[in-house]
Amino acid sequence: KQEVTQIPAALSVPEGENLVLNCSFTDSAIYNLQWFRQDPGKGLTSLLLIQSSQREQTSGRLNASLDKSSGRSTLYIAASQPGDSATYLCAVFYAGNMLTFGGGTRLMVKP
Amino acid sequence: DVKVTQSSRYLVKRTGEKVFLECVQDMDHENMFWYRQDPGLGLRLIYFSYDVKMKEKGDIPEGYSVSREKKERFSLILESASTNQTSMYLCASFSLTGAAEAFFGQGTRLTVV
Repeated sequence: KQEVTQIPAALSVPEGENLVLNCSFTDSAIYNLQWFRQDPGKGLTSLLLIQSSQREQTSGRLNASLDKSSGRSTLYIAASQPGDSATYLCAVFYAGNMLTFGGGTRLMVKP
Repeated sequence: DVKVTQSSRYLVKRTGEKVFLECVQDMDHENMFWYRQDPGLGLRLIYFSYDVKMKEKGDIPEGYSVSREKKERFSLILESASTNQTSMYLCASFSLTGAAEAFFGQGTRLTVV
């Protein structure tokens, strides 16, 4: 069974810092990996999708990388802002049409 | 603009009631999922469906059932609501064709009293 782990569980940084969120998974036979953002009490908003054949994707200040062989993905946030405060979740698609989530990283960016 | 729509944003029900949570997607996706989300426990899969009239149990199916009579609609049913089913419920859909990107509804905050 696929297991997805996110480290750290919580992170507090001052505004302007660059930061890295980590996601690891146990089974490298994935279709793709997706990063989401969730604001308190809301649904999940897709940030970046990385296909299994890709190494990274970028959107604005966000960059996500994927290393299937080591079972790792990172989400890099450049020049963090208070509006980036949210919970970030990674999810992997794998065989059997399954979608498994990590526990999330709760990010607080202080002004 | 692609959409997954959940029928209610907030819902309050009494213990023992039968509760229906509806999810509709307009992307012609084969796969649809129901999760519940609780503090400290993350997202847990209740049921999923990979085709019309098909359903598979997830990690925590007890106390729930589902219905998928049409491709665009996936319903979660609480047969007899209990207070431990108070939670945030999230519906998702995706297709393995194309980009295989998952989309989520806005969530339903269910309170059982």
